[in-house]
This record gives sequence, C-alpha cells and structure tokens, in this order.
Amino acid sequence: EAQVTQNPRYLITVTGKKLTVTCSQNMNHEYMSWYRQDPGLGLRQIYYSMNVEVTDKGDVPEGYKVSRKEKRNFPLILESPSPNQTSLYFCASSPTPTLGVVNEKLFFGSGTQLSVL
Amino acid sequence: GENVEQHPSTLSVQEGDSAVIKCTYSDSASNYFPWYKQELGKRPQLIIDIRSNVGEKKDQRIAVTLNKTAKHFSLHITETQPEDSAVYFCAAVKAAGNKLTFGGGTRVLVKP
Repeated sequence: EAQVTQNPRYLITVTGKKLTVTCSQNMNHEYMSWYRQDPGLGLRQIYYSMNVEVTDKGDVPEGYKVSRKEKRNFPLILESPSPNQTSLYFCASSPTPTLGVVNEKLFFGSGTQLSVL
Repeated sequence: GENVEQHPSTLSVQEGDSAVIKCTYSDSASNYFPWYKQELGKRPQLIIDIRSNVGEKKDQRIAVTLNKTAKHFSLHITETQPEDSAVYFCAAVKAAGNKLTFGGGTRVLVKP
C-alpha cells in the first residue's frame, strides 16, 4: 500500500532530550517536507527536500534539523527540544521535486503529537 | 514570502445548507491553490485544487473559485452533510516553487 509512515504517533519528552521523528515513504517520491500544526496557525513548513542530499529551510526551521540520505527517508531531529516545540507534526511527500507545476499532490503521514515538558 | 489568510476560523451550518470559506494570498506569483480537508484525528487530504489560468472548478458538491486580480479564492460546499464536518485548509504555491503556504484553517460543523 502506498503510504507515508511516521513514527512515533505520540511522544512525551522533557526539555533538552534529543529526539528523532522518522518519516518514510514507499512511493519513490522526490519531494518530502515536514510541517507543524498549531491551533489557528494552520500548517507551517519546517524543512523540505527536493531530492537526496538536497534540503532547505521552510518558514519555521529554528530548533530543527533534517537529513535526506536516502530517497525514502526524511527524519526530523530536535537536538534540544523546548516546550514551544510542543505541536502536531506531519511529514508529507510529493511525486515531483517542485510544487506548483503538475502532479504535485501532497501525501501526508498520520502525524506525530509531540509534548515537551 | 507568501502569506495566506483564511476566514472564517469556524463555521456552523445546518445540514443541506451551503458553506463558503474564503482565502486571500499576498504573492501575485502564486499560481496553484489546493484545498485540504482534515477530519478529526486524521491527516490532511487534498479535496480540490485550482490553477491560476482557471476561474472556477467543480467536483460534485465542491467548487473552488479564483479571482487573480483581487488575490482571493474560495471553497464552496453545497448541500452539506454531516461527513463534511472537518477542518479545511487553503494553500498557495508559487510557480515551480517548493513551499506550500497554508491558511490558518476553518473548522466546519454541519448540524443534522
């Protein structure tokens, strides 16, 4: 089944304890991206990647890192989480390396609810 | 960068009535405008989209209109049903861009 898989679904951690949220897609998609969802703010882009070893900042990259060593995986790393990073996180992928052209539908993962105490 | 504003933030309608959600965008270079629906506890899913060379697009009970001059676009849901209850997000993308900028979302409640 074609899908974007995120793990874990729920995570409670403490300030400063490094964590990684994994994201994997089995559709051979070029484009992958991370978003955080907060009430009233919609979905805001954290980082995106157009291809292997190509990553760039979105609108809210502070406090996050990503890597794209393989096409299918795009982990989100919080080196020193803080309470303001408590949020619902979504990974998404798209067939084409750029959006706004053709066939750019975003496929979202199930989300990761992160709480930083 | 692009800024997308979405109104209203909440919308309550009676089953069978119509619902309209409006969005404005700031960057005139944006040319692709998708709408996503997110049911409670689920992931966002694309329901309809429109490109800047088209003024209106319909898919059964859902339609989207775009006014490029005024830089706003709208989602119209006719004959609403309880399963239309969800949060709806509009978004904008620049031509060959890499960023999808979302509006703040509209929580739609359809009352039976």
